[in-house]
Amino acid sequence: KAGVTQTPRYLIKTRGQQVTLSCSPISGHRSVSWYQQTPGQGLQFLFEYFSETQRNKGNFPGRFSGRQFSNSRSEMNVSTLELGDSALYLCASSLTGYNEQFFGPGTRLTVL
Amino acid sequence: GENVEQHPSTLSVQEGDSAVIKCTYSDSASNYFPWYKQELGKRPQLIIDIRSNVGEKKDQRIAVTLNKTAKHFSLHITETQPEDSAVYFCAAQRPMLTFGGGTRLMVKP
Repeated sequence: KAGVTQTPRYLIKTRGQQVTLSCSPISGHRSVSWYQQTPGQGLQFLFEYFSETQRNKGNFPGRFSGRQFSNSRSEMNVSTLELGDSALYLCASSLTGYNEQFFGPGTRLTVL
Repeated sequence: GENVEQHPSTLSVQEGDSAVIKCTYSDSASNYFPWYKQELGKRPQLIIDIRSNVGEKKDQRIAVTLNKTAKHFSLHITETQPEDSAVYFCAAQRPMLTFGGGTRLMVKP
């Protein structure tokens, strides 16, 4: 099976802009979770989608949003970008969300 | 919410020695505990996991132990090799994954 893929791999944006990241899960996986990874805060959970519904949400401001499509592909959107949003954004897919999660390669977002 | 603490933050061992990384969690309802290895510039990859109804699990040189009463779990790597050098993350699930801060393991040849 093909692994989890994420696009784009790298992004440079300026403060105030918005960005959309995409995640394609492993075929058959219905759960997609998003994480922010920074050197200072480690891996932090953003949200999880299952069957097109947001099932769990982490403690991030409303500027961070997401959605999932009927083919389980997921997008994450960040509006009004801030310098502190610079991070590696990882998505992970799993069959149900309660078993092994497989990570994508991540999208490295730099906000200038 | 769940809080996971991981120690040590860095660990340096000689090749062939054992390495132990410890994690504690706060929510007694957490029921799934995976360990991920992340090499520099790569994605996290699951190396072993354990569920709350099991006390210990082993896979070749890697083992994980879980003490539900004390709410802590540990990763044990025996006969370490230079390719074991990476950052290791523990996590607890209830219902989403909460990760520990990571341990940078360096195995010196």
